[in-house]
Amino acid sequence: GQNIDQPTEMTATEGAIVQINCTYQTSGFNGLFWYQQHAGEAPTFLSYNVLDGLEEKGRFSSFLSRSKGYSYLLLKELQMKDSASYLCAVRARGAGSYQLTFGKGTKLSVIP
Amino acid sequence: ETGVTQSPTHLIKTRGQQVTLRCSSQSGHNTVSWYQQALGQGPQFIFQYYREEENGRGNFPPRFSGLQFPNYSSELNVNALELDDSALYLCASSLHGQSYEQYFGPGTRLTVT
Repeated sequence: GQNIDQPTEMTATEGAIVQINCTYQTSGFNGLFWYQQHAGEAPTFLSYNVLDGLEEKGRFSSFLSRSKGYSYLLLKELQMKDSASYLCAVRARGAGSYQLTFGKGTKLSVIP
Repeated sequence: ETGVTQSPTHLIKTRGQQVTLRCSSQSGHNTVSWYQQALGQGPQFIFQYYREEENGRGNFPPRFSGLQFPNYSSELNVNALELDDSALYLCASSLHGQSYEQYFGPGTRLTVT
């Protein structure tokens, strides 16, 4: 089985940096994903990590440590539109190509 | 390029009834996955379809079934609806063999009373 843990809620100030952590336990690992989901909308893909290290994409970066079962999503220069839920998801080895196990999501509130 | 579409947007059903939800995949995508997202939770994988066959299934009972058609569109059928089936049902499409590109539709909000 798989278990994914991330904080339920976070609050940060516009223009600041925020780090959203995700820890996971899985019987086999084949990739970690971060999605953004605005209220009432579909999740949108942010990042994918399968090897250890940092992946940077504009204001968003994602880090993975497979040995620690740990990932984080880093959001820089926060904007009000970044207020959303951030979902961490893991794909297990041997699972269907797109069978992802999601965490419950972290609701980020960006305040002025 | 047409994105993933789902219908209907909202649906209200009574316990014990049956429901069919529909999904049209993004142009060029041949794999469809279905997820159930309860309020305040992350999406849970129901199953995936590729080449019109089920290609992976999550921890859902047999009353959740699906179809994929030759044009890669898909249906999710749920029989004997229960109150706990109330959720947002998300469809995601992808191209088989691509490692991570999966695009979600806007979802169908199902309410069971």
